[in-house]
Amino acid sequence: QKEVEQNSGPLSVPEGAIASLNCTYSDRGSQSFFWYRQYSGKSPELIMFIYSNGDKEDGRFTAQLNKASQYVSLLIRDSQPSDSATYLCAVNHQGGKLIFGQGTELSVKP
Amino acid sequence: DTGVSQDPRHKITKRGQNVTFRCDPISEHNRLYWYRQTLGQGPEFLTYFQNEAQLEKSRLLSDRFSAERPKGSFSTLEIQRTEQGDSAMYLCASSFDPAKNIQYFGAGTRLSVL
Repeated sequence: QKEVEQNSGPLSVPEGAIASLNCTYSDRGSQSFFWYRQYSGKSPELIMFIYSNGDKEDGRFTAQLNKASQYVSLLIRDSQPSDSATYLCAVNHQGGKLIFGQGTELSVKP
Repeated sequence: DTGVSQDPRHKITKRGQNVTFRCDPISEHNRLYWYRQTLGQGPEFLTYFQNEAQLEKSRLLSDRFSAERPKGSFSTLEIQRTEQGDSAMYLCASSFDPAKNIQYFGAGTRLSVL
């Protein structure tokens, strides 16, 4: 079992729709959770972080965390073609390294 | 530009050659991380420093790889006797608060070993 798992996609949504990206993790001691966006050929760009159970909203982005289910998700409302990218889920255990999933490719169709 | 800076952006080398990459973290960030990313995969952790101390190394970091952060500022990652399997994007990240551990990435160094 991989430590952090994501569906590789591609996930295709029409412009203006809600994109839902999911991530599960295996280490119950994980304490902080991150979503990075990565455009092709570029480096990861931090878009959201969450530490506590529940929802955290920032503009069109909402991160959701359920530690009991070991599940973290990212919702993108009003998806735009510019949101087309790979979204990486990352989990931190004890203040050091991040463990990344393989990423979910999102395609927003005009 | 006050972000994480990596140099060079691209490196093409022949198998068996040594290469060295440099990373300058965000000013005042005391933690510096190295990751490696291959096509279609998420970044994989290699090693990290807190100030000048190397706190953890991945088993991925074979004896051909070495990293330093001599004065707790910039860091170098050296790969000796490069192999074709070393071809990847090498990413550097830095963070300030270990409790929150929000890591910001540089643009990366893309290595191609011929």
